[in-house]
Amino acid sequence: EVQLLQSGGGLVQSGGSLRLSCAASGFTFDRYAMTWVRQAPGKGLEWVSTITADGDDTYYADSGKGRFTISRDNSKNTLYLQMNSLTADDTAVYFCARHDYGGWYDYWGQGTLITVSS
Amino acid sequence: EIVLTQSPATLSLSPGERATLSCRASQSVSTYLAWYQQKAGQVPRLLISDASNRATGIPGRFSGSGSGTDFTLTITSLEPEDFAVYYCQQRSNWPRTFGQGTKVEIK
Repeated sequence: EVQLLQSGGGLVQSGGSLRLSCAASGFTFDRYAMTWVRQAPGKGLEWVSTITADGDDTYYADSGKGRFTISRDNSKNTLYLQMNSLTADDTAVYFCARHDYGGWYDYWGQGTLITVSS
Repeated sequence: EIVLTQSPATLSLSPGERATLSCRASQSVSTYLAWYQQKAGQVPRLLISDASNRATGIPGRFSGSGSGTDFTLTITSLEPEDFAVYYCQQRSNWPRTFGQGTKVEIK
């Protein structure tokens, strides 16, 4: 059974940093690209970042460029999102998601809430 | 950035009725478009990929159509569990983008 178990959320002050983790199981992690998507309270879905299966290529939304870093440790079957210089606009539930072979997000983590306080 | 505009924002229907949701792209995305369903308090679920392919386990009452800039998600006969928010998403260009969502609510 495919599972994506997220950790690392919580309350952080404006300007602070946080690292999210997404532990994968039930599939061969190093064969799949992965993505982070976020959802501000009461709002829609926003793509945040994507990393290829081998970790060689990464992509970012403008909102996180220069502040967020996506990475993966294929030996630990874990995806990460390092977030720096956080602002209130980053307050959201963050989801990790696995890409299917077509590039769509077929499995999602349970989501983790990040609250940035001023 | 490709902007996806979904309409209507809210669709009020009764169980058994047909739902037709629209997603319009600001430029062509070919068929690189997907639909996701999100129920309140739940994780999004992939419904349709590549504009018209139902994802694994998705019932036949869900269908997708379109190409280029105009796409439609149709639910032929609404079941109680179908009342949710639906998002379209493109993977034609970076950055990936989602529509703002259509809420299908019980009338």
